This record gives sequence, structure tokens and C-alpha cells, in this order.
Amino acid sequence: DAGVIQSPRHEVTEMGQEVTLRCKPISGHNSLFWYRQTMMRGLELLIYFNNNVPIDDSGMPEDRFSAKMPNASFSTLKIQPSEPRDSAVYFCASSQRAKHSGANVLTFGAGSRLTVL
Amino acid sequence: ELKVEQNPLFLSMQEGKNYTIYCNYSTTSDRLYWYRQDPGKSLESLFVLLSNGAVKQEGRLMASLDTKARLSTLHITAAVHDLSATYFCAAPSNTGNQFYFGTGTSLTVIP
Repeated sequence: DAGVIQSPRHEVTEMGQEVTLRCKPISGHNSLFWYRQTMMRGLELLIYFNNNVPIDDSGMPEDRFSAKMPNASFSTLKIQPSEPRDSAVYFCASSQRAKHSGANVLTFGAGSRLTVL
Repeated sequence: ELKVEQNPLFLSMQEGKNYTIYCNYSTTSDRLYWYRQDPGKSLESLFVLLSNGAVKQEGRLMASLDTKARLSTLHITAAVHDLSATYFCAAPSNTGNQFYFGTGTSLTVIP
């Protein structure tokens, strides 16, 4: 398996522009998470999906952020309009709870580094 | 909301020395996860602790879990430069479906 695949790896955009980050989870994983990492705030959970359904989006900072998961193999995180304070590394992670142990290990993608000028 | 606190935030240690990173969490979770992040890289799973008293070891790292004290430790034995990274603990919510990460401990091992 190629792991969790995110694109783009790097994005530089100007304030006010729309940004779309993409994620392909590991095949068979039924949970998908979007995290944001900054020096100031650390690793923040933005939203997570279970079986393609958004379960908790309380971490989404504001209405400018939206996330979708139209099918089990694809998710997007959109920021519109973008602002300089959105600059961060955005990680997508997926997981599948182990039937025997119940362990639910996250596998992270390489991240998308966003810079908003 | 679940809170996960790590200390120290920054740790600079000499090669060959021992040290412990602490992770306190605020819910009744009976499991705890440790991840490693190298600079500019993603997070990788290190340990999965699934019950009170669980202990896992790999190389110079050993993790343990005390669910009654809501405390997990990551012990480093005879540190080497390759261990330099940021280490995160993560506790699941009560449903086990989402995860809250600690602030991370940035470890630098110096010769």
C-alpha cells in the first residue's frame, strides 16, 4: 500500500484565494482525520469522518473551512477565502480499528504545507 | 474536551544519558499512543499501549501506561543522535474514534 497520499505537498497562495487540499486514505481504513500543525498551536484536530460521514467538525476554525469525503478513497479540505493565519502544515490521517485488540493506530500522510501571503 | 499534556516541551540531552518524557491526559481512556516526528516529516506510530500496566519496548525506547494515574511515560535509555525528533503522545476520546495529541517533546541528543 502506498500509504496515505496527500496533495499538494506545498502550496503558496495569496490572501483571499481558494485553497483545496486533497487526501487519499489507505484502502480499507474507515476513519479519516484532518489535522493542522503550527508552532504556536501544535497539532489540532480539525474534523474526522467515519465511513465517509463527518462525525465531529468542532475543530474547524470557522466557516471559511469546509471538508468533504464523497467516497471512501478521497477527501478534500477547502479554505475559502484563505488568510495568512491559515499558514500551517495540514495532515490527513486514516485508521481502521483492529478487530482483536481494538487498537486504532493513525497512519499519517506526508502533509501539505500551506503558505498564505 | 480531553486534554493531553506533555513535559518537558524541549529536551536536550547528551549521548549515553537516560531520560523520561511524561504524558498526562484528562479522560478515562484505557489506551495511549506514542508517535515520532522527524523535522519536516510526518508522524509515525511508535507504540500502542492498550491497557493499564502495559509496557512496550523497542530499542532504546520504552513506553508504559498507568491508567489510574492517567499517565504514560516514554523512557530513553543511553540516548543516541538518531533519537533526535519530536515525540507526541495521543489519547483517544471516550468513544475511541478521535484522538487528541499532546504538545510534543522536542528531543535533541548532543554528542
